[in-house]
Amino acid sequence: QKEVEQNSGPLSVPEGAIASLNCTYSDRGSQSFFWYRQYSGKSPELIMFIYSNGDKEDGRFTAQLNKASQYVSLLIRDSQPSDSATYLCAVGYSNYQLIWGAGTKLIIKP
Amino acid sequence: GAVVSQHPSRVICKSGTSVKIECRSLDFQATTMFWYRQFPKQSLMLMATSNEGSKATYEQGVEKDKFLINHASLTLSTLTVTSAHPEDSSFYICSAVRDSSTDTQYFGPGTRLTVL
Repeated sequence: QKEVEQNSGPLSVPEGAIASLNCTYSDRGSQSFFWYRQYSGKSPELIMFIYSNGDKEDGRFTAQLNKASQYVSLLIRDSQPSDSATYLCAVGYSNYQLIWGAGTKLIIKP
Repeated sequence: GAVVSQHPSRVICKSGTSVKIECRSLDFQATTMFWYRQFPKQSLMLMATSNEGSKATYEQGVEKDKFLINHASLTLSTLTVTSAHPEDSSFYICSAVRDSSTDTQYFGPGTRLTVL
């Protein structure tokens, strides 16, 4: 059974600090990894995707992938209250399907 | 861009009626679309995979005769909830794959269904 694990949180981070979100996956053959953000009552919104080991930066967001350890993380620098949301980790499966983590609720405290 | 729309955004219906939800990719062609359901404070649940021109593939436990999916064109997939009951009340979300070389899914804004 292919699984994606995330700590459900909530993760509370002071405004301006770095928020670190982690995700582990079970299928060693996985090739594509995604972070989505979901605000309460809204649909998921793509933040980043990453395919290669290492870091990928986009503005205040950095995705980190370590295939040997089977984890992917998302760092949010200079956290803002508007970053408060649930962050979903997803791993590519077959026929374009994604295996979803349950999400980590992030709270940025002003 | 990769914009996906859904219509309606919110619907309230009586028990026993059928409701159709449309999912459109506005600026790209989507050979594959997905339908999800999400109950309050719960994770996304994949209901079915919709491929243009072929029958949808339903996840285990999802009744294909109750949740009818049609993907008649490269920009439109529809989900019809037949004979809706209060337990079908949920947030229904579609997503579309823009590029066949990647599996990035772009989501519509969702449809909130309330069955009275």
